[in-house]
Amino acid sequence: ETVLTQSPATLSLSPGERATLSCRASQSVSSYLAWYQLKPGQAPRLLIYAVSNRATGIPARFSGSGSGTDFTLTISSLEPEDFAVYYCQQRSTFGGGTKVEIK
Amino acid sequence: QLQLVESGGGVVQPGRSLRLSCAASGFTFNSYGMHWVRQAPGKGLEWVAVIWYDGSNKDYSDSVKGRFTISRDDSKNTLYLQMNSLRAEDTAVYFCARPQYSNNEDYYFDYWGQGTLVTVSS
Repeated sequence: ETVLTQSPATLSLSPGERATLSCRASQSVSSYLAWYQLKPGQAPRLLIYAVSNRATGIPARFSGSGSGTDFTLTISSLEPEDFAVYYCQQRSTFGGGTKVEIK
Repeated sequence: QLQLVESGGGVVQPGRSLRLSCAASGFTFNSYGMHWVRQAPGKGLEWVAVIWYDGSNKDYSDSVKGRFTISRDDSKNTLYLQMNSLRAEDTAVYFCARPQYSNNEDYYFDYWGQGTLVTVSS
């Protein structure tokens, strides 16, 4: 089974800054990687599927890239509502999450 | 619009049982396999179980296999998770989620419910 390792565990940034989140797979997952945003008390929100495809209604400041075993979620300019925890996923495996917090 | 609404959570003693429900609306429920995913307090997301669109196949995480049973009632557009022999480590928010398949094996979750909290404590 594939293991997904996310880094960093916590990212402390200010609104307007760029966020770069990493997800590394223990073996190649080809192009089948998704990203989610999770806030307390809310349903997880699909952001990116198949590495780089934005889900319906997701702002263009969110982008995904990568291939094989190394993937990146980039938030080009953080908005106040973007401070949350982000998870990558491949099949039944989730990464450990990256918390994006206000600096 | 598409909705997934979980219910049935609560506080239960170790060793007891609980049944969660997930009411689906806004899409053709019997065309989709469905999953349960949980998040323990302070922890990440953990996949729990899947049932195929026609109920013909089911799969579970090792941590719940033999104790939890996933099922569906397409006449009620409802997904269930029967949880037996509950343990403290089963304490979590339980989400139901709808998958979109890229191929026979690879999928992502395009819709999630808001979750229901299960607390296992004496």
